[in-house]
Amino acid sequence: GESVGLHLPTLSVQEGDNSIINCAYSNSASDYFIWYKQESGKGPQFIIDIRSNMDKRQGQRVTVLLNKTVKHLSLQIAATQPGDSAVYFCAETLNQGGKLIFGQGTELSVKP
Amino acid sequence: ETGVTQTPRHLVMGMTNKKSLKCEQHLGHNAMYWYKQSAKKPLELMFVYNFKEQTENNSVPSRFSPECPNSSHLFLHLHTLQPEDSALYLCASSQDHRLAVYNEQFFGPGTRLTVL
Repeated sequence: GESVGLHLPTLSVQEGDNSIINCAYSNSASDYFIWYKQESGKGPQFIIDIRSNMDKRQGQRVTVLLNKTVKHLSLQIAATQPGDSAVYFCAETLNQGGKLIFGQGTELSVKP
Repeated sequence: ETGVTQTPRHLVMGMTNKKSLKCEQHLGHNAMYWYKQSAKKPLELMFVYNFKEQTENNSVPSRFSPECPNSSHLFLHLHTLQPEDSALYLCASSQDHRLAVYNEQFFGPGTRLTVL
C-alpha cells in the first residue's frame, strides 16, 4: 500500500504487505530528516533518520528514501505487522540550530 | 521511572481556570521542549529550554506560561484558555538544542487537554 503526500491521512494495508508512506517537505535547505511513529496514547517515537548527503538509509524492516530534487521523503515498511499500526509523520530541520518542522502524518492501519 | 513522564495525562478545565502541566525527564538531557498537537494538524513547537534558559518562544500566546526550574523539570502554566487550545500537549527532551543529528528528541506521552 502507498500513501500520497500529506493529503491522504490514512493508509490501510494487509498484514505481511509492504507499506510506503510519503512526505513532501517544505524547505529545500533542510539537511536532516526524521520519521516518527506515534501509537495511540503515546508520544512520537523516533524510527529512522537520514541526512541530506544520502538518498537511502535502511533500518530493521524500514527504509527511508530521500529525493531532494522534488523535496520528497518516503518511509517503506517491509512485511507490515499489526504492531506497525500507528500515525507516521516526517520531520525536517536544519542540523545546525534548526527547529523540527513536522508533517501532518499518515495513519497506518494493518489488517490481519 | 525512565524516559519522559508527563502529568496529568488528561485535564479538563474551564476558560477561567488556572492549571499546570508537568514534565519530567530522567535521561540527563539539557534541553526540554513543549509541543502542541491538535487534531489533523502537524506538531507545533511552542517553547524550548536549554539549561533552564528559554531559547525559543514560537509566538505562543501569553496565556501559556512555561517554567523550567532545572534541566529535569518543565512546567506549562495555563490561564484563561480558549476552547481552541484543546489539544495534546507533548513534552520532549534532548541532549542539546543546537544540533539535530545525534540529538534525538524523546517525547513524553502527552497531556490531553480539553478546555470547556
